[in-house]
Amino acid sequence: AQKITQTQPGMFVQEKEAVTLDCTYDTSDPSYGLFWYKQPSSGEMIFLIYQGSYDQQNATEGRYSLNFQKARKSANLVISASQLGDSAMYFCAMRDPYNFNKFYFGSGTKLNVKP
Amino acid sequence: GAGVSQSPSNKVTEKGKDVELRCDPISGHTALYWYRQRLGQGLEFLIYFQGNSAPDKSGLPSDRFSAERTGESVSTLTIQRTQQEDSAVYLCASSLAGRTGNSPLHFGNGTRLTVT
Repeated sequence: AQKITQTQPGMFVQEKEAVTLDCTYDTSDPSYGLFWYKQPSSGEMIFLIYQGSYDQQNATEGRYSLNFQKARKSANLVISASQLGDSAMYFCAMRDPYNFNKFYFGSGTKLNVKP
Repeated sequence: GAGVSQSPSNKVTEKGKDVELRCDPISGHTALYWYRQRLGQGLEFLIYFQGNSAPDKSGLPSDRFSAERTGESVSTLTIQRTQQEDSAVYLCASSLAGRTGNSPLHFGNGTRLTVT
């Protein structure tokens, strides 16, 4: 069975500093996709970044980047230059390699950015 | 363009009543998903529709839960004889399906259901 683990229920970071949110996954298939979503207190889920298992480089999108370590099965989200608006829940998700349109979500990490 | 639209945004109902939640996906998105999110928890998969294929109902928690979708349009999630444990936010998402591996889910703002 596929599994996503986020071990940090909550994180604090000082404004303007970088923060890493951990995500590990478990799959025996070599082909998979990993996604990160942000959920502010307003509730909407916002897609942030995608990493494919065969991608040669770590994904980056503005201040978001993925520290993708395939051998360790980890896909940590790095947020650089944190802003107060980054305070939110962050979810890691994996696309099921056997059922291409099924996604598995981690339990989330609540990030608080301190001024 | 328009995103995923869900209605109502909030619903308060009495235990034992039936409720119907609606989701209007992004035009052209053939895949549609329903998730449940209890307070402070992650997302729990409920059901997935892909075009005219049989839906994947493997996440529905009981036979009180059902969902329908006509073609590639609106979907409704129905909960019969609601229980207090059904209180949660119900999120709908749509995506471009098929072999596009990097297609993310696009979520609606959810329906917050409270069963009293």
